[in-house]
Amino acid sequence: KNQVEQSPQSLIILEGKNCTLQCNYTVSPFSNLRWYKQDTGRGPVSLTIMTFSENTKSNGRYTATLDADTKQSSLHITASQLSDSASYICVVSLNTGGFKTIFGAGTRLFVKA
Amino acid sequence: DAGVTQSPTHLIKTRGQQVTLRCSPKSGHDTVSWYQQALGQGPQFIFQYYEEEERQRGNFPDRFSGHQFPNYSSELNVNALLLGDSALYLCASSDRGRGNTEAFFGQGTRLTVV
Repeated sequence: KNQVEQSPQSLIILEGKNCTLQCNYTVSPFSNLRWYKQDTGRGPVSLTIMTFSENTKSNGRYTATLDADTKQSSLHITASQLSDSASYICVVSLNTGGFKTIFGAGTRLFVKA
Repeated sequence: DAGVTQSPTHLIKTRGQQVTLRCSPKSGHDTVSWYQQALGQGPQFIFQYYEEEERQRGNFPDRFSGHQFPNYSSELNVNALLLGDSALYLCASSDRGRGNTEAFFGQGTRLTVV
């Protein structure tokens, strides 16, 4: 069964600290993996995208890693800011010739001053 | 360049009623996907439209139907509303014709069924 599981479910950190969010997937055949940031009540916004051959991708203070062998990805946030408070969703796309995507439930990040 | 736009932003309906949500894709995009997101959950795929046809469908009942117009805009219709249909409905567009799977999301429509 194609699944995307994220951990932790929620996380509270102090402003300025770093954090790492995890994503494990059992999706096949794999096409790519994206991390999205979703502010409350808004649509998700893409942060990074990685294909099978890519191990890491950065976008400012966000760095995503991918281990296609273990089917794990992580999103590392450096020097967190209050505006980083949001849900972070891991999305895996299948290479089925169509556009099938599996969404994780997300990690809710709270950054406190 | 306008991104993905959805209307209305908020909507309140009564059980048993029908609702229509609308989506205009990002300029140059030809594919529209619809998602349902319950509070605290990740988006769940409803269906995808490309070339005015439903191409893929998630595990949603036939009460959920859609349409895509020649200008690539799309509608999501839900009949016989249930309380459990209350959610944020997201529309995402992509450029399937060019093989680009990156999806751009709209702000969503918050549907409340009472």
